[in-house]
Amino acid sequence: DAKTTQPPSMDCAEGRAANLPCNHSTISGNEYVYWYRQIHSQGPQYIIHGLKNNETNEMASLIITEDRKSSTLILPHATLRDTAVYYCIVRFYTGNQFYFGTGTSLTVIP
Amino acid sequence: DAGVTQSPTHLIKTRGQQVTLRCSPKSGHDTVSWYQQALGQGPQFIFQYYEEEERQRGNFPDRFSGHQFPNYSSELNVNALLLGDSALYLCASSFLSGGAPDEQYFGPGTRLTVT
Repeated sequence: DAKTTQPPSMDCAEGRAANLPCNHSTISGNEYVYWYRQIHSQGPQYIIHGLKNNETNEMASLIITEDRKSSTLILPHATLRDTAVYYCIVRFYTGNQFYFGTGTSLTVIP
Repeated sequence: DAGVTQSPTHLIKTRGQQVTLRCSPKSGHDTVSWYQQALGQGPQFIFQYYEEEERQRGNFPDRFSGHQFPNYSSELNVNALLLGDSALYLCASSFLSGGAPDEQYFGPGTRLTVT
């Protein structure tokens, strides 16, 4: 599975959009991009995943560049409850384990 | 619909002892994966069970072993505990038989402290 690079930390004002970047320059054609988040001392929570098209669900949007070498997770209206560590993971299709890095620690500021 | 459950929540053991952690997957899921998360680090994959067999294994010693039961629940066993085994142990379940890209749902974890 390809490795990912994320900034270690970011701040976002409450009510504004939070844009979390991820680089995955070695991604292969059949690898998906997954995003999880982990609120302090809880289990990671699934947010969204995609292959090459942009995806949106009730939690977030995932924008994947055309060359698939990077992606951005967008939380449209960040709240204090979105303060967490966000992990970007590249994973081959199905069934394989998730390789977590150290993620991005997002702090939403009132 | 119950999500992934793990027991116990917290555990304190002494070096050299053995420990068993338990996980019940989300309803409808057939696969269980175990992860170890040290303080300040991302979760590290230990192994995955599917159809009662170890399907994949990460870079962990043989002291770490597991089991999956016919009802898909799973146990993680760690023998000869070391201080470095202190961590949050996470269980994740998914549905592998469907063939679609599977989301892994994580439990709340078991906090193991080795003294």
